Amino acid sequence: GAVVSQHPSRVICKSGTSVKIECRSLDFQATTMFWYRQFPKQSLMLMATSNEGSKATYEQGVEKDKFLINHASLTLSTLTVTSAHPEDSSFYICSARMSYEQYFGPGTRLTVT
Amino acid sequence: QKEVEQNSGPLSVPEGAIASLNCTYSDRGSQSFFWYRQYSGKSPELIMFIYSNGDKEDGRFTAQLNKASQYVSLLIRDSQPSDSATYLCAVTGTASKLTFGTGTRLQVTL
Repeated sequence: GAVVSQHPSRVICKSGTSVKIECRSLDFQATTMFWYRQFPKQSLMLMATSNEGSKATYEQGVEKDKFLINHASLTLSTLTVTSAHPEDSSFYICSARMSYEQYFGPGTRLTVT
Repeated sequence: QKEVEQNSGPLSVPEGAIASLNCTYSDRGSQSFFWYRQYSGKSPELIMFIYSNGDKEDGRFTAQLNKASQYVSLLIRDSQPSDSATYLCAVTGTASKLTFGTGTRLQVTL
């Protein structure tokens, strides 16, 4: 149990384009999902908390207009990186909360050229 | 002061030995404590969680929590080369957000 999927696993896009990443809880319902970003050799940094049916809560310093989050159902949250730039290249990981634990998706490696 | 602190390592232990990973946290209101394993290029995988003072055992893994000392540890018995990874300590408070340490890199040598 507690399986979280992410799609795509890897994406390369051109600067200025937008990229959507999907996060799904496959065998449980998650009212809360989280989006993290991890740069090489660094720990995970929480970007935002995604709550089903309401607006996401963004961490300080994360631009909400650039990183659009939609949590339309109890099993799906999406992160859209708008007008991507090379500095947005990173490993994006979602997690879904079940009870008190968080289970992570496999991550999406974004490269912006 | 960082909220969750870990020694970055690398911690090198021979195969079959016990690996001891340590973590301290600054928020006395922290309620839940987690250990994640992260292989290079992969996302974190939940290994153990502990909520109460004392020890919690699961197979070769034992988590230890001492809230008075604000200290949580992970012991890995009979370490295997496949245990070589970065181990992340994470803590939650009332907001249920995970705060991660920077991780300890473990190397199990043959």
